[in-house]
Amino acid sequence: GAVVSQHPSRVICKSGTSVKIECRSLDFQATTMFWYRQFPKQSLMLMATSNEGSKATYEQGVEKDKFLINHASLTLSTLTVTSAHPEDSSFYICSAPDFGGGTTGELFFGEGSRLTVL
Amino acid sequence: QKEVEQDPGPLSVPEGAIVSLNCTYSNSAFQYFMWYRQYSRKGPELLMYTYSSGNKEDGRFTAQVDKSSKYISLFIRDSQPSDSATYLCAMNDNQGGKLIFGQGTELSVKP
Repeated sequence: GAVVSQHPSRVICKSGTSVKIECRSLDFQATTMFWYRQFPKQSLMLMATSNEGSKATYEQGVEKDKFLINHASLTLSTLTVTSAHPEDSSFYICSAPDFGGGTTGELFFGEGSRLTVL
Repeated sequence: QKEVEQDPGPLSVPEGAIVSLNCTYSNSAFQYFMWYRQYSRKGPELLMYTYSSGNKEDGRFTAQVDKSSKYISLFIRDSQPSDSATYLCAMNDNQGGKLIFGQGTELSVKP
């Protein structure tokens, strides 16, 4: 299957600082990427849809000024958690659909980034 | 009522057993159905992708979709300890669109 890479896989930061997480599609181009958040033993919650060249679309209840998303190229989307607080500690995962090589939009996920805010 | 319902388990089976995982959904617009496997502290791994009613087989895994009943299943034959993970069903109404996930079923296969 297609490969989606996330970096960093784990980050620990102090309260009040900002953290950037990168999501890359390694062997395909993605005009759309999705950012999810997952709490322990819970399912994935969609935060926002990242669109290459335009503004991200945020789900209800997600603060767009808190979670900044930039999709600067067809292979890279970034999520920046601004002024992070302990309640932002979570597992953040990105995904992207692959339409190349005859595939029909299967969504592949990155390995996730675990954020801990002290 | 949630759009996608999945029994969270946990489900514990002996090695070699046949495992049946199920999801129901309420939105008849859902056309594409996926099963993901997620190991602890890892991203979900796509196992199966289907878009029509019926069965799709891949090795020990069989995905079944019944659109008339709004019901999907994943069967795992000859289950192995390495199959121990959380299994998530997911679906959407357009190719490559945002997914709606079930709650995930935690599976443990005992040797």
